[in-house]
Amino acid sequence: GAGVSQSPRYKVAKRGQDVALRCDPISGHVSLFWYQQALGQGPEFLTYFQNEAQLDKSGLPSDRFFAERPEGSVSTLKIQRTQQEDSAVYLCASSTTGGGTGELFFGEGSRLTVL
Amino acid sequence: GNSVTQMEGPVTLSEEAFLTINCTYTATGYPSLFWYVQYPGEGLQLLLKATKADDKGSNKGFEATYRKETTSFHLEKGSVQVSDSAVYFCALGADTGGFKTIFGAGTRLFVKA
Repeated sequence: GAGVSQSPRYKVAKRGQDVALRCDPISGHVSLFWYQQALGQGPEFLTYFQNEAQLDKSGLPSDRFFAERPEGSVSTLKIQRTQQEDSAVYLCASSTTGGGTGELFFGEGSRLTVL
Repeated sequence: GNSVTQMEGPVTLSEEAFLTINCTYTATGYPSLFWYVQYPGEGLQLLLKATKADDKGSNKGFEATYRKETTSFHLEKGSVQVSDSAVYFCALGADTGGFKTIFGAGTRLFVKA
C-alpha cells in the first residue's frame, strides 16, 4: 500500500502478557517514529529510528518497552508484562527527512487495551 | 524544554461560522510549526505547516501564521463546513539535529448543519 500500515488495529491483552505491534512504513522513508496517544490527549513521542539505527528512545516509559527496526524498514514495538496504564493507541509515523523536522505520515494506529 | 499549548475543546460551531483554534509554543530555537488533523476513523494527517517566522501555511481554506513575537500559530478558517468536524493538533517540529515532534493535546471541533 501507499501509506503507513500498522497491525493489529486492535489488541486486547491480559495484564502481564507480552504484545508486539507492527509498523510497515512508506517505502523509502528513512525516518520512523513511534508515539503513544492516550484517550483525549495528543501523541507522545516514544522512540525514533533513522534507517535501522535507534537514535532516540528517551520517550519509552520503562524497560518493558522495546522497539526494533532491524532492516531499516518494518518496525516492531514490543511491550512486555503489560500493565493497565499501557492501554493507549500506539501510532507509527514515517518521514522522508532525517530527524523530526519535516512532515510525518501516520498510520491509523494500534489500539491496545490491557485488562 | 520545548512545548505546545492549544485551546481546549470541544469547539462547537454552526456551518459557515468563523473558526479560530489558538496554539502557543515554547521553543529554544526556530523549529517548523504544523497543524495536523484527525478525521473520525482515520489517522493523523498534515493540514498545513510553516517553516519560519512570518510564514503563512494554508490548505483547504485553513490558514495559520508563524508569529515569533507572540510565539503563536493560531489556526483559522473563514467558513467551516460539517466535513471539517475532526480533532486538530498543533505541533512543534524538532530543533535542527533533533528528533521529536511535540504535539498539543488536540482540539475537537464539531460543526453543526
